[in-house]
Amino acid sequence: AQSVAQPEDQVNVAEGNPLTVKCTYSVSGNPYLFWYVQYPNRGLQFLLKYITGDNLVKGSYGFEAEFNKSQTSFHLKKPSALVSDSALYFCGRNTNAGKSTFGDGTTLTVKP
Amino acid sequence: EAQVTQNPRYLITVTGKKLTVTCSQNMNHEYMSWYRQDPGLGLRQIYYSMNVEVTDKGDVPEGYKVSRKEKRNFPLILESPSPNQTSLYFCASSPYTGSWVETQYFGPGTRLLVL
Repeated sequence: AQSVAQPEDQVNVAEGNPLTVKCTYSVSGNPYLFWYVQYPNRGLQFLLKYITGDNLVKGSYGFEAEFNKSQTSFHLKKPSALVSDSALYFCGRNTNAGKSTFGDGTTLTVKP
Repeated sequence: EAQVTQNPRYLITVTGKKLTVTCSQNMNHEYMSWYRQDPGLGLRQIYYSMNVEVTDKGDVPEGYKVSRKEKRNFPLILESPSPNQTSLYFCASSPYTGSWVETQYFGPGTRLLVL
């Protein structure tokens, strides 16, 4: 089955430091991968996606993600974290048949 | 304003009492989907619809029904709710060109408590 995994439940970083939120995916099928963010008491908001092309994908709010086929990873990154980046982050995958699979989510806390 | 709306936003009900959560989108999207969010389990897909009159099961369809009679609406029906359906529910919509489901736009969520 096509799936994604977020190995860390929680990531803590200091404001101004680089952040990474990890995501790995299963090998089967074409990887249409994405990241969404959920702020407290809000719905999910799209950050970025990878379908094909450049392995480095740039998204909203200064986030980027690197698609690494050899490591089957799609880690979310930001060079300099802000306190306002604190939220719940979901990695996910779409199939071309309409199914969407999300990881369990990673809570990012950025401390001043 | 382009949006996905859900109603109600909060609902407390009792076991066995049928309920419907409505979802509507104004973006003329072909694709719509329902998810439930539970602590430690992330977001799991319940049902999805590629277009009018086309629906399919997601990963956790048991205990739920859906229908897609109009393009803009995709109601979620719980015919006999049980406490294990207490959860936060999200509806989403997306363009679909026949290749991939594109970026999904999520509603604000419906928090359901089944006693």
